[in-house]
Amino acid sequence: GESVGLHLPTLSVQEGDNSIINCAYSNSASDYFIWYKQESGKGPQFIIDIRSNMDKRQGQRVTVLLNKTVKHLSLQIAATQPGDSAVYFCAERYGGAQKLVFGQGTRLTINP
Amino acid sequence: DSGVTQTPKHLITATGQRVTLRCSPRSGDLSVYWYQQSLDQGLQFLIQYYNGEERAKGNILERFSAQQFPDLHSELNLSSLELGDSALYFCASSPRTQTDTQYFGPGTRLTVL
Repeated sequence: GESVGLHLPTLSVQEGDNSIINCAYSNSASDYFIWYKQESGKGPQFIIDIRSNMDKRQGQRVTVLLNKTVKHLSLQIAATQPGDSAVYFCAERYGGAQKLVFGQGTRLTINP
Repeated sequence: DSGVTQTPKHLITATGQRVTLRCSPRSGDLSVYWYQQSLDQGLQFLIQYYNGEERAKGNILERFSAQQFPDLHSELNLSSLELGDSALYFCASSPRTQTDTQYFGPGTRLTVL
């Protein structure tokens, strides 16, 4: 079922290529950032997180980069696979606050 | 599977009605969060409970309320429903609060006719 907005930015990549999904966050006081993946009809799934005292963190096939100077976050997915097709959200948490503030999301589609 | 369960999966009701959405957090998690995801608003934080107590409030309407029970499951009550309340409602949980990653349930799709 449709789980996100119809007018999301879309990134199309060839299977096997690397994907880079970008996110601009809003609050310079944010100290914690998360990337979530949401497949159609499912809830957001945690991918990777990073704290503001870091500028890079690597996971399995994924890397998150944080540039606090320009308030920019990116998610790099290596060797993109069909199963990576989803909407990807970045989320930020303001220092001391409980709630996550989500970005609008980017739809990643994989071309065979 | 995140370990967070939500019921029902789908709910169809009429304007003016009241519904209750239920969430069971992951085993051992004390914090429960509710989010609304609609087509034009994205994912919006509604409210958080920690060990039975309200901890943080977001963009939650006065027609909506929530609670967390001693067994740590939570319910979100939506009343006087309007067409615009149609959305996906997600519950997330985390072990404690603030610095913990939130794990999301599969959601409840609410349709108000």
